[in-house]
Amino acid sequence: DTGVSQNPRHKITKRGQNVTFRCDPISEHNRLYWYRQTLGQGPEFLTYFQNEAQLEKSRLLSDRFSAERPKGSFSTLEIQRTEQGDSAMYLCASSFGRLYEQYFGPGTRLTVT
Amino acid sequence: AQTVTQSQPEMSVQEAETVTLSCTYDTSESDYYLFWYKQPPSRQMILVIRQEAYKQQNATENRFSVNFQKAAKSFSLKISDSQLGDAAMYFCAYRSARSNFGNEKLTFGTGTRLTIIP
Repeated sequence: DTGVSQNPRHKITKRGQNVTFRCDPISEHNRLYWYRQTLGQGPEFLTYFQNEAQLEKSRLLSDRFSAERPKGSFSTLEIQRTEQGDSAMYLCASSFGRLYEQYFGPGTRLTVT
Repeated sequence: AQTVTQSQPEMSVQEAETVTLSCTYDTSESDYYLFWYKQPPSRQMILVIRQEAYKQQNATENRFSVNFQKAAKSFSLKISDSQLGDAAMYFCAYRSARSNFGNEKLTFGTGTRLTIIP
């Protein structure tokens, strides 16, 4: 059990570019969650998956954001046409089930210039 | 919608002393979970302690304990015998216990930065 991993750890991109982040959950965890954390704030929920099904999306997840979890394993979060307001830490978490603890990854820090 | 409020942006405590971090929340639900998460600098968030709302007994994990006041919607974290490794951002979080879809997200407060003074 190596924990939740996220790649890349840091990403700097120019406004208007597309970026994609990857999250590898703890194996056997069927739940996977994405959160966004801006400076001085707590994490805010974006979306979550049970296996490959995306069960909830926050209103924060505009149409420029898309998340997938093919085959119910790793997940990707893509942001199209990035804006400076997208600069944040993107956190991934996974859990074994609905009532179980969410384990967080180290996050991907996105800077949009 | 549920909200979580942490009114102390920063706290400091002398090493080996006791400190209490405050958290209040607002919800219309009767069954839910409350959590304290710790986020050390440049490291990932880890769960410190968890409280089920239906339990009257306050949760305890070694040097960490909570004071859960359901009627007052208050959930404070007490850290005893503070250690240098306790320095971190601490987040209070809420999660619904309802079983239907869409109730698994954590709602976080804005955090309290805890500094340990040697």
